Amino acid sequence: DTAVSQTPKYLVTQMGNDKSIKCEQNLGHDTMYWYKQDSKKFLKIMFSYNNKELIINETVPNRFSPKSPDKAHLNLHINSLELGDSAVYFCASSLAVRGLSSYEQYFGPGTRLTVT
Amino acid sequence: DQQVKQNSPSLSVQEGRISILNCDYTNSMFDYFLWYKKYPAEGPTFLISISSIKDKNEDGRFTVFLNKSAKHLSLHIVPSQPGDSAVYFCAASAEGDKIIFGKGTRLHILP
Repeated sequence: DTAVSQTPKYLVTQMGNDKSIKCEQNLGHDTMYWYKQDSKKFLKIMFSYNNKELIINETVPNRFSPKSPDKAHLNLHINSLELGDSAVYFCASSLAVRGLSSYEQYFGPGTRLTVT
Repeated sequence: DQQVKQNSPSLSVQEGRISILNCDYTNSMFDYFLWYKKYPAEGPTFLISISSIKDKNEDGRFTVFLNKSAKHLSLHIVPSQPGDSAVYFCAASAEGDKIIFGKGTRLHILP
């Protein structure tokens, strides 16, 4: 059974398009995250939701909009895609402990987004 | 501004020997440190963690050492096995804040 799943695994699209990436976790966790791994291989947090509430919103263009319909799902919608959005996007989840953040995050397999 | 640094992009170790992966950090507020392992086309997998109140944590073949005065931590894998070949990410956080990841070190275990 997959703990954190993402769809699609690969996404190739043209500049200017709008696309969504879906994430689901079946671990019963309260907190979910979106990370971006760019060409330099850094894993950087973009957003975090705790029980459907946005708790971390890093400096991310407002073309990126997360949506959490329930605590098991956190989707990422991207408007007006740009070349620089090409990256691998990872969803993750964790139990919420020690205030806002938990320390052992479980990651999905990633979505490789290529914008042409 | 890299708060978590893994200065070795890659490391090759003979099977059966000890692998030592290093990590430095700059933020003295970090109080929790983690190591993640990542295989190609998969997400990172949690490996081991350590709180700043400890200087060592061991889990089977994996041991993490923390030197707070030097702002340095290391992951020891002994004995190294072929399945250990992967990218290892060091990560750190301050209480109530997000996790900051390093750039990763690619470990190759040689037969």
